[in-house]
Amino acid sequence: DSGVTQTPKHLITATGQRVTLRCSPRSGDLSVYWYQQSLDQGLQFLIQYYNGEERAKGNILERFSAQQFPDLHSELNLSSLELGDSALYFCASSVDSGGAGRRFFGPGTRLTVL
Amino acid sequence: DAKTTQPNSMESNEEEPVHLPCNHSTISGTDYIHWYRQLPSQGPEYVIHGLTSNVNNRMASLAIAEDRKSSTLILHRATLRDAAVYYCILRDSGAGSYQLTFGKGTKLSVIP
Repeated sequence: DSGVTQTPKHLITATGQRVTLRCSPRSGDLSVYWYQQSLDQGLQFLIQYYNGEERAKGNILERFSAQQFPDLHSELNLSSLELGDSALYFCASSVDSGGAGRRFFGPGTRLTVL
Repeated sequence: DAKTTQPNSMESNEEEPVHLPCNHSTISGTDYIHWYRQLPSQGPEYVIHGLTSNVNNRMASLAIAEDRKSSTLILHRATLRDAAVYYCILRDSGAGSYQLTFGKGTKLSVIP
């Protein structure tokens, strides 16, 4: 158990819909990272928040957004969903702001868009 | 991130040592070598990391070549629970925000 929790575990929705994925980092960790893993793309970094502020952006679509709240949990919002958004979404946390430190990954949310 | 090259897949017999290679010929002096693994249907898990010297922890050992252009992750006795995709990643120890860039990794199969 990494200490990072993600809800829900599974999500099935239809094209055009909007969903919210939630992540709670390990106690004491200030950074939250979001990753997408699809069969053909591997693990892709989406976005990082550090202590409530956006820190780094990766391959995140404009239809996707995220935020980190004062209690440090984070939410990833996916809107206007397409079939290709079906994937595993992982969040990770770390105590640092994005240096060479260790990342702790959650169990993931499996999103299926029908 | 500097690029790493790993074999697509490897097989090992249970209870035997496994040596997972990684080439990183363009590594810079401040790049740490990190290994993560991903078990089926789980998130990636940190395994070990090092800079220049060989490193040991309860999960594995990391052997780093003297010129640092390659490294080897060593699992001393493979178990069925070690079957996973192993990722070798270079991280810069300098200032700024660095993201883990996962490649395809090496899929390790463990044969009972």
